Amino acid sequence: SYELTQPPSVSVSPGQTARITCSGDALPKQYAYWYQQKSGQAPVLVIYKDSERPSGIPERFSGSSSGTTVTLTISGVQAEDEADYYCQSADSSGTLGVFGTGTKVTVL
Amino acid sequence: EVQLVESGGGLVKPGGSLRLSCAASGFTFSGFSMHWVRQAPGKGLEWVSSISGRSIYIYYPDSMKGRFTISRDNAKNSLYLQMNGLTAEDTAVYYCAREAVSGTSLDYWGQGTLVTVSS
Repeated sequence: SYELTQPPSVSVSPGQTARITCSGDALPKQYAYWYQQKSGQAPVLVIYKDSERPSGIPERFSGSSSGTTVTLTISGVQAEDEADYYCQSADSSGTLGVFGTGTKVTVL
Repeated sequence: EVQLVESGGGLVKPGGSLRLSCAASGFTFSGFSMHWVRQAPGKGLEWVSSISGRSIYIYYPDSMKGRFTISRDNAKNSLYLQMNGLTAEDTAVYYCAREAVSGTSLDYWGQGTLVTVSS
């Protein structure tokens, strides 16, 4: 089955930049989406179509894509950004959804 | 305001069945595809199934085919997930989520309902 691979954890100091990667063979053909999930809460969409930001999401969240890797960047990290982050996409047929393995962002 | 409220979770014995429901409000339900996503305790998100607005397109990952059935009743603004042959590995919080018009992102999520499979 198709898989999206993320690093298990990323640690960053307040005000610094956090980058979270997501790798998958179908990413050159399928859009990627990013979700933030804080402890005990439902996920929240923070990036769609690789790099678009939904209304209400702070500008410090951005996304980019290059080949088989997409990246979520959090610039000027704040304590409130501490959460688990998941990428999401589809298989090469575009019909089956898949989530990445998840990355825990720790703000030091 | 878009709201998604799941119900129907609980404790079920291995081999048992359960039907989850998701009540939607605040948008034209029939115009949106809907998804189920689950999360086992302490684990990551796992996509379970999706259904288009008129139920024409229904998809499952191979691991869910044959045991889970997604359906919807647009007249009742409700989404369902029938789960059969449950095992301990199906223990999870089950979320319903709305697919955005602009693509396959999930723009609204419910708070989830916990399913526990245990003897």
